[in-house]
Amino acid sequence: QVQLQESGPGLVKPSQTLSLTCTVSGGSISSGGYYWSWIRQPAGKGLEWIGHIYTSGSTTYNPSLKSRVTISVDTSKNQFSLQLTSVTAADTAVYYCATWNVWYYYMDVWGKGTTVTVSS
Amino acid sequence: QTVVTQEPSFSVSPGGTVTLTCGLSSASVSSTYYPSWYQQTPGQAPRTLIYSTNTRSSGVPDRFSGSILGNKAALTITGAQADDESDYYCVLYMGSGPWVFGGGTKLTVL
Repeated sequence: QVQLQESGPGLVKPSQTLSLTCTVSGGSISSGGYYWSWIRQPAGKGLEWIGHIYTSGSTTYNPSLKSRVTISVDTSKNQFSLQLTSVTAADTAVYYCATWNVWYYYMDVWGKGTTVTVSS
Repeated sequence: QTVVTQEPSFSVSPGGTVTLTCGLSSASVSSTYYPSWYQQTPGQAPRTLIYSTNTRSSGVPDRFSGSILGNKAALTITGAQADDESDYYCVLYMGSGPWVFGGGTKLTVL
């Protein structure tokens, strides 16, 4: 069973770039069958899908974040990453990586999440 | 902009039955939207409960069931327990993305 673990800085300054990595264990990121996804949740609020990448490298982003988001994959490290540029306090949230099962169309596996605070 | 609608809050008595719904602002939900449901307790990551309308994820008790009711997807909890008190989110598949979560339903068991 695939497991996911997010990692990255817990504090980012305004206007800087938020960078997070999700390490995949228990399976290969190259094996197909999943969209590798990022989701976030501001404190006390609901879940927001950020975007995903397929093993082919094709990406889809939330239109509301598209101009600031890049998701990439490193198959040699079995990891995928999120970069969010020009962050503001509104980007403060718990960030989750997750897999979207392409055969049954649902979020299959979730990481535990990592808290990112945007503050000077 | 597609909006996925859920009741903001619901309450149920212990042992009771509750049905939460997931709708679309501008269309009827059918099984072709492959509705899925997620449970989240405070401080924890979401847990997948139901996918493809009515398939329980591994380890999910059978008191959780999914269906289509009228023009909405539905999550029914039969015999509610105290630890079912959580936030519940739905997702509807509308193509290769973007994917939209419902706003979530806060379920209170009391």
